[in-house]
Amino acid sequence: NAGVMQNPRHLVRRRGQEARLRCSPMKGHSHVYWYRQLPEEGLKFMVYLQKENIIDESGMPKERFSAEFPKEGPSILRIQQVVRGDSAAYFCASSPPGVTYNEQFFGPGTRLTVL
Amino acid sequence: AQSVTQLGSHVSVSEGALVLLRCNYSSSVPPYLFWYVQYPNQGLQLLLKYTSAATLVKGINGFEAEFKKSETSFHLTKPSAHMSDAAEYFCAVSGLGAQKLVFGQGTRLTINP
Repeated sequence: NAGVMQNPRHLVRRRGQEARLRCSPMKGHSHVYWYRQLPEEGLKFMVYLQKENIIDESGMPKERFSAEFPKEGPSILRIQQVVRGDSAAYFCASSPPGVTYNEQFFGPGTRLTVL
Repeated sequence: AQSVTQLGSHVSVSEGALVLLRCNYSSSVPPYLFWYVQYPNQGLQLLLKYTSAATLVKGINGFEAEFKKSETSFHLTKPSAHMSDAAEYFCAVSGLGAQKLVFGQGTRLTINP
């Protein structure tokens, strides 16, 4: 059973460009979470999605950031008009339906560098 | 609201010595608690989890943690440190059902030969 897949692993963008980060959850998992890890900091929750629905986006910046988890295909975290402060590691996690204790399985992350 | 505090951003121990990483939590609902390990430039790997079944939880790589409700703590221990334990360790809390994890700021563990 393959783990959570994220691509690309490393992404370099210039200020003002768009960044698209992809996440394929583990097989059978219907819950996807995105977290951001700034240098020397812990992980901060951004958004929680199920297929075609955003359940909790309380951690998403109000502008430039969006996320989706379509019926088919991976979850996408999109950052428009990137700025240097967006440089961070972005982690996706997934969990199966029906569990009560919320064990999440993490991908290897995408490290975004904004020049 | 939930929060996690990890005491000590850096911990250094000698190989073979006891490892103790501290985690205190705050939660308005019965918590589920987790310890994750992160090796350089990698994702997070689950070490162990507390889901109310038993207060002493054993995980992978010889780690264990004890849930103490009266102290709101979930400290991580390992009797004898190994060089391969050098990594960043994160404590996290969640509530019932599929919800976000709230992480502590992490503790970087260094093992001295």
